[in-house]
Amino acid sequence: DGGITQSPKYLFRKEGQNVTLSCEQNLNHDAMYWYRQDPGQGLRLIYYSQIVNDFQKGDIAEGYSVSREKKESFPLTVTSAQKNPTAFYLCASSGTSGSWNTQYFGPGTRLTVL
Amino acid sequence: RKEVEQDPGPFNVPEGATVAFNCTYSNSASQSFFWYRQDCRKEPKLLMSVYSSGNEDGRFTAQLNRASQYISLLIRDSKLSDSATYLCVVNEDGNQFYFGTGTSLTVIP
Repeated sequence: DGGITQSPKYLFRKEGQNVTLSCEQNLNHDAMYWYRQDPGQGLRLIYYSQIVNDFQKGDIAEGYSVSREKKESFPLTVTSAQKNPTAFYLCASSGTSGSWNTQYFGPGTRLTVL
Repeated sequence: RKEVEQDPGPFNVPEGATVAFNCTYSNSASQSFFWYRQDCRKEPKLLMSVYSSGNEDGRFTAQLNRASQYISLLIRDSKLSDSATYLCVVNEDGNQFYFGTGTSLTVIP
């Protein structure tokens, strides 16, 4: 089955620790995205990547880092510099040809800082 | 200024009712438009794309008004299973997608 997988589903972190969230897609999409969603709020863009070995900051990149070494993988690291990391993290991918590219989402990772 | 704005609701409607959501966007050069559905504690899922000519999928109808910069979603004959948050999404340049905060719908038996 084609799709996007994220792991883990739930993640607990102690303050001061870095954690890495996994995102893998087998849709052969060039573009991948990381969003953060807080309760009762919309999605906010953290980072996105249009092509391997290249990525851009979104609206709330501070305290996060990413890499794009492979087309199918776009891991997100939440660093200790992120002051309020507890949230629902969503990874998405899309094609890049044409103007009607559609985003597809993974099931998300819920991160809780203890 | 928000790129995409939606009425957050909540909309509480009885089964069988017709309900409509609107969404406005700020960039007149926006290229593509979508409605997503998000269930509680789940990821957003594509409901339908919104084409200039309008499009229909069963009980759902989406329309785009470029002159007024808004898109709409009409749900006819509401079902209990339609209860969810509906997200309006706009793609401005083929790269970034901009999301509204969502409109909450509860269909009541």
